[in-house]
Amino acid sequence: DIQMTQSPSTLSASVGDRVTITCRASQSISSWLAWYQQKPGKAPNLLIYKASSLESGVPSRFSGSGSGTEFTLTISSLQPDDFATYYCQQYNSYSRTFGQGTRVEIK
Amino acid sequence: QVQLRQWGAGLLKPSETLSLTCAVYGGSLSGYYWSWIRQPPGKGLEWIGEINHSGSTSYNPSLKSRVTISVDTSKNQFSLKLNSMTAADTAVYYCARGRIPGYPTAFDIWGQGTMVTVSS
Repeated sequence: DIQMTQSPSTLSASVGDRVTITCRASQSISSWLAWYQQKPGKAPNLLIYKASSLESGVPSRFSGSGSGTEFTLTISSLQPDDFATYYCQQYNSYSRTFGQGTRVEIK
Repeated sequence: QVQLRQWGAGLLKPSETLSLTCAVYGGSLSGYYWSWIRQPPGKGLEWIGEINHSGSTSYNPSLKSRVTISVDTSKNQFSLKLNSMTAADTAVYYCARGRIPGYPTAFDIWGQGTMVTVSS
């Protein structure tokens, strides 16, 4: 299985901050990576697919980059609605795996 | 707009079999891959497996021996069975759609989730 490791596990930030979350794959996954946002009690919501493509309806302050084994999710200016947990997910192989999550909390 | 609605028993005893169904509304099963994903309380997401409209399946190796995913195209539904349940299987279970037809991909549409608790 391909292992996905996110860092940090928790991130404290203020409204307006630029926030970056990193996801590393245990082997190359090309650009087959997605990012999700999840709020308590809700299903995850797709933000980014194919490492850097913004899903329809997602605000442009979210962006993704990377390829191979290292990827980042950036929120350019953190908004109150963005406090949530974020997950990366690889789909390079037929066995899909997620990172352990990064919780973005209010500083 | 495609929506997924899921249902099934929420409380099971150890050794029982979990059975969940997910119905697709506003669209067709055809062409897409449909997955089950779970999330233990306070923990991360785990992909369980997937199926397409023709019944081709792929499972997480760690669960493969206990999982069966099936599809009923006449009802536009797909289902999950997970046998020999233990407390470690307690989780919220989600159904989800792969966003691009025909390929393993990201999940763009999710069901509302079903909390499944295993307890004697």
